[in-house]
Amino acid sequence: NAGVMQNPRHLVRRRGQEARLRCSPMKGHSHVYWYRQLPEEGLKFMVYLQKENIIDESGMPKERFSAEFPKEGPSILRIQQVVRGDSAAYFCASSPTGPRTDTQYFGPGTRLTVL
Amino acid sequence: DQQVKQNSPSLSVQEGRISILNCDYTNSMFDYFLWYKKYPAEGPTFLISISSIKDKNEDGRFTVFLNKSAKHLSLHIVPSQPGDSAVYFCAACSGGSNYKLTFGKGTLLTVNP
Repeated sequence: NAGVMQNPRHLVRRRGQEARLRCSPMKGHSHVYWYRQLPEEGLKFMVYLQKENIIDESGMPKERFSAEFPKEGPSILRIQQVVRGDSAAYFCASSPTGPRTDTQYFGPGTRLTVL
Repeated sequence: DQQVKQNSPSLSVQEGRISILNCDYTNSMFDYFLWYKKYPAEGPTFLISISSIKDKNEDGRFTVFLNKSAKHLSLHIVPSQPGDSAVYFCAACSGGSNYKLTFGKGTLLTVNP
């Protein structure tokens, strides 16, 4: 039973480029959550999605960031025109049913470095 | 504004002894608290949780204590084992949006053989 998969594990981008981070939830999970961990900080909630729906994006920066979870395929976190301050670890979590926090299963994260 | 604070960046204990990790919070709306464990290059793994209606929850070697009046919780690990060496995150949420976890910065626990 594969866990939450994230790819790439490491991503290097130059300022102004686009970054696409992918998250495949655990089999049977239809709820996905994205968190960001800046250096020396704790994880911060960004967005909660169900299939084809954004439920809560209150933690997402208003510009340049978007997320989707299509009917087929992985969830995508997209960062346009990256800046150095976007350098962080981005974690995805999934849960099988409703948002009970102790059933959020985390992936290994994508470490984004912006040069 | 750091709503969940873990003031000790690191803790070192001897194998077999008790590890006590502390966490303070400022948001009185938080009513559910969790501890996660994280190894390098892996995602956080859920360890134990506690609802605000309780003051203690125990699971094997792990016990979480909650002091609501002090807005303080702690994780006790006894006996500590070398495999417990990891970063421990305290997290909290409120019932209204119980998926939106607020994490502390973490405490690196090292258990020495």
